[in-house]
Amino acid sequence: DARVTQTPRHKVTEMGQEVTMRCQPILGHNTVFWYRQTMMQGLELLAYFRNRAPLDDSGMPKDRFSAEMPDATLATLKIQPSEPRDSAVYFCASQDRGLQSHNEQFFGPGTRLTVL
Amino acid sequence: AQSVTQPDIHITVSEGASLELRCNYSYGATPYLFWYVQSPGQGLQLLLKYFSGDTLVQGIKGFEAEFKRSQSSFNLRKPSVHWSDAAEYFCAVGAPSSASKIIFGSGTRLSIRP
Repeated sequence: DARVTQTPRHKVTEMGQEVTMRCQPILGHNTVFWYRQTMMQGLELLAYFRNRAPLDDSGMPKDRFSAEMPDATLATLKIQPSEPRDSAVYFCASQDRGLQSHNEQFFGPGTRLTVL
Repeated sequence: AQSVTQPDIHITVSEGASLELRCNYSYGATPYLFWYVQSPGQGLQLLLKYFSGDTLVQGIKGFEAEFKRSQSSFNLRKPSVHWSDAAEYFCAVGAPSSASKIIFGSGTRLSIRP
C-alpha cells in the first residue's frame, strides 16, 4: 500500500531552535508539495518541487524556512530559527508524473509542530 | 487563476439524514475538481475527483458529487450520513496541465448529531 510518510509525527521545541521535517513521497511520484495548516489560516501551500527542482516557494517565509529534495525519495522542510507562530501541522503531499494523474495529490499524515 | 469557495464553515446534520456540502469554483475552462476529507489528527484523503466525462462522480464511503458547469459548482452529497463522517471536508480545483498545484477551499466542518 503506497503512501506518503512524514517524520516526526510530533515535534515540540523551544523558540530559536532548528526544526527539520522529512517527507518520503510515494515511489515514482515526481512532484512534492509542502503545506501548513493552522486554525486561523487554514491550509497554505508553502512550496513545491518537480523532479527535485523547486517550482514555487512563494508561500514560504524566506528568512527562516528552507525546503529541499536531496534525492527523489526525500524532501525536507527546515525552520531556523523557529518561532511560536510557526506552530502548526505541516503536510507533505506527492503527485504522480504525467497527465493521467489529473493533478491528484496524496497526503502524508502530517507533522504537528509546537514551538514554545 | 483558479479559486474555490466553500460558503459553509460548519454544518451539523443528524445521523441518517442526507448531506450536501457546497463548493463553487472559478476557472476559465473545465477544471479538475476534487473533494478531500480530513478526520481529526489525520492527513487529507481523496474522496472523489472529476476530470472529464460523466458529471456525476462516485467516490469512496458512499459520497458522490456533481459537476455543474453552468453554476460553476461541484457539490458533495451523501444520502445518509454516519457518525464516522464527522470531519473536515475540502473542495479543491486544479488546472488541466501536467502535474500542477491545486487550490483548496477553506473547508467545511461536518458535525453529526446523534
